[in-house]
Amino acid sequence: DAKTTQPPSMDCAEGRAANLPCNHSTISGNEYVYWYRQIHSQGPQYIIHGLKNNETNEMASLIITEDRKSSTLILPHATLRDTAVYYCIVNAGGTSYGKLTFGQGTILTVHP
Amino acid sequence: KAGVTQTPRYLIKTRGQQVTLSCSPISGHRSVSWYQQTPGQGLQFLFEYFSETQRNKGNFPGRFSGRQFSNSRSEMNVSTLELGDSALYLCASRWDWGTPPKELFFGEGSRLTVL
Repeated sequence: DAKTTQPPSMDCAEGRAANLPCNHSTISGNEYVYWYRQIHSQGPQYIIHGLKNNETNEMASLIITEDRKSSTLILPHATLRDTAVYYCIVNAGGTSYGKLTFGQGTILTVHP
Repeated sequence: KAGVTQTPRYLIKTRGQQVTLSCSPISGHRSVSWYQQTPGQGLQFLFEYFSETQRNKGNFPGRFSGRQFSNSRSEMNVSTLELGDSALYLCASRWDWGTPPKELFFGEGSRLTVL
């Protein structure tokens, strides 16, 4: 799996958009970008994933650059409950999807 | 629909003992993965099972083993426990193996303390 680089920590005001960047410059053409988050002492939770196009679901939006070397996870209206560690993961999916490589992630702190 | 269930949630063992952790995947899910989470190493993949066969394996010593039963439930075993095995052990399930991916569903984990 390609390596990812994320800032160790970020802050965001409640109600504002949180934009979490991820660098994955060695991503291969068949690899997806996944985002998971882990709230303290709980199991990781899937947020969103994408291959080339931007994606949006009820939780977040994922913006992938045209060269696919970086991406940004956007939480449009952050709440206190969004305080968590966010992991950006690159994986080819299919038979290797159960074997995710988690980095250190970004600790997002949402302030009142 | 019930989520991924892991038992026990907490346990304390002493060095040299062995431990067995259990994971019941979401109903209908046939693939189960195991991860170890420690403050120093973060989340690391242990192994994945599908149709009672180990399909992927991480870089852990042979003291770590697992199995999957015909009902997709899985167990992992750690023998000859060391202090460094103290960790949160997480189980994740997905519907199939090899299909286009969407998400892994994680359980709450089993927190093991080795004294």
